[in-house]
Amino acid sequence: GQNIDQPTEMTATEGAIVQINCTYQTSGFNGLFWYQQHAGEAPTFLSYNVLDGLEEKGRFSSFLSRSKGYSYLLLKELQMKDSASYLCAVLDSNYQLIWGAGTKLIIKP
Amino acid sequence: NAGVTQTPKFRVLKTGQSMTLLCAQDMNHEYMYWYRQDPGMGLRLIHYSVGEGTTAKGEVPDGYNVSRLKKQNFLLGLESAAPSQTSVYFCASSREGDGNQPQHFGDGTRLSIL
Repeated sequence: GQNIDQPTEMTATEGAIVQINCTYQTSGFNGLFWYQQHAGEAPTFLSYNVLDGLEEKGRFSSFLSRSKGYSYLLLKELQMKDSASYLCAVLDSNYQLIWGAGTKLIIKP
Repeated sequence: NAGVTQTPKFRVLKTGQSMTLLCAQDMNHEYMYWYRQDPGMGLRLIHYSVGEGTTAKGEVPDGYNVSRLKKQNFLLGLESAAPSQTSVYFCASSREGDGNQPQHFGDGTRLSIL
């Protein structure tokens, strides 16, 4: 079967750095996406990785290791507005997105 | 810049009733998707469309039907609602289905079946 694993919940402090991990086992791989979803709102696109390595976008970075079936999202200089769920999703061999259940990130002052 | 618009935003139905959820996108995207999101679970694909006049089944299609008569609209129908269909429904669209084309989501429809 296909499986995406992420921690259910994480807590971090404003101004700190947090790393959210995602491991996957899917039938094929055509890229990995990270989305942010605030409570009661729509998911919004953060990043896309298809090659191994780190992609940096301002305060957010995403890393991929295809051989390990592993990705992480790194958030720096945390702000209260970063409190949200972060969804990991893999594009499988049929070009369908397989979604993790999401990691709820709680930011404390 | 509307993006993806879903109507209605909230709805309460009785078991056995039928209804249609409407999704409209103004980005000229080819691909459109319907997902459901339940607590503790990832988004699950119900049906999708790769272009006007086409539809295909996703992971959880039973109890739902869809139509894509116009490129900008994707309708999701519940023929006979069941309590197990209580969920938040998201519509999404993308320019293409492969590669680095992200899906853009609507604000969701919160549906309760009593």
